[in-house]
Amino acid sequence: SYELTQPPSVSVSPGQTASIPCSGDKLEDKYTCWYQQKPGQSPVLVIYQDFKRPSGIPERFSGSNSGNTATLTISGTQAVDEGDYYCQAWDSNYVVFGGGTKLTVL
Amino acid sequence: EVQLVESGGGLVQPGGSLRLSCAASELTVSANYMTWVRQAPGKGLEWVSVIYSGGSTYYADSVKGRFTISRHNSKNTLYLQMNSLRAEDTAVYYCARGIDDGGGYLYYIDYWGQGTLVTVSS
Repeated sequence: SYELTQPPSVSVSPGQTASIPCSGDKLEDKYTCWYQQKPGQSPVLVIYQDFKRPSGIPERFSGSNSGNTATLTISGTQAVDEGDYYCQAWDSNYVVFGGGTKLTVL
Repeated sequence: EVQLVESGGGLVQPGGSLRLSCAASELTVSANYMTWVRQAPGKGLEWVSVIYSGGSTYYADSVKGRFTISRHNSKNTLYLQMNSLRAEDTAVYYCARGIDDGGGYLYYIDYWGQGTLVTVSS
């Protein structure tokens, strides 16, 4: 079965750039999206089809996908960006989520 | 505004059954890619099952043969029948709508319910 791997945690200072990688075999051949989840809340889509931003998502969120790694980048990270981030792809009728990355802004 | 409202969660003994419901508004369940995703306490997201607009259904290996996804068109409601429940099925279950290519290739999930908690314990 297909797997997506994320680091358990990433830390960043306010105003700096946070990068969260998501790796999977030949991931560039699949569309990847990203969800943000805050404690006690449902996930929110922040990036879809590798790099597209849904309406209402700040421009500081961006995405890329090349080779075996998709990356979520948050430029000028703010305290409000703290939370868990999950990458997701699709493989042969199965939805696959990465294990999630806890972003800490400190 | 699209709303997905789950219900039916609760405490059940191992080996028991539960049926979750997801009532949709401003969205036609039968015309959409509808999926269930769960999250065990303190853990990550885990995909459970999907029903395509055409009616095809698929399941994660961890629930195959025990869970059944279905929909009621006139009630505009999605269901998840869960049988032979195990402690490891304890989780918040989310109902969600996916955007696909029309043939089941999921691009992303854009609407999520608030989730319903299922606890399997004696």
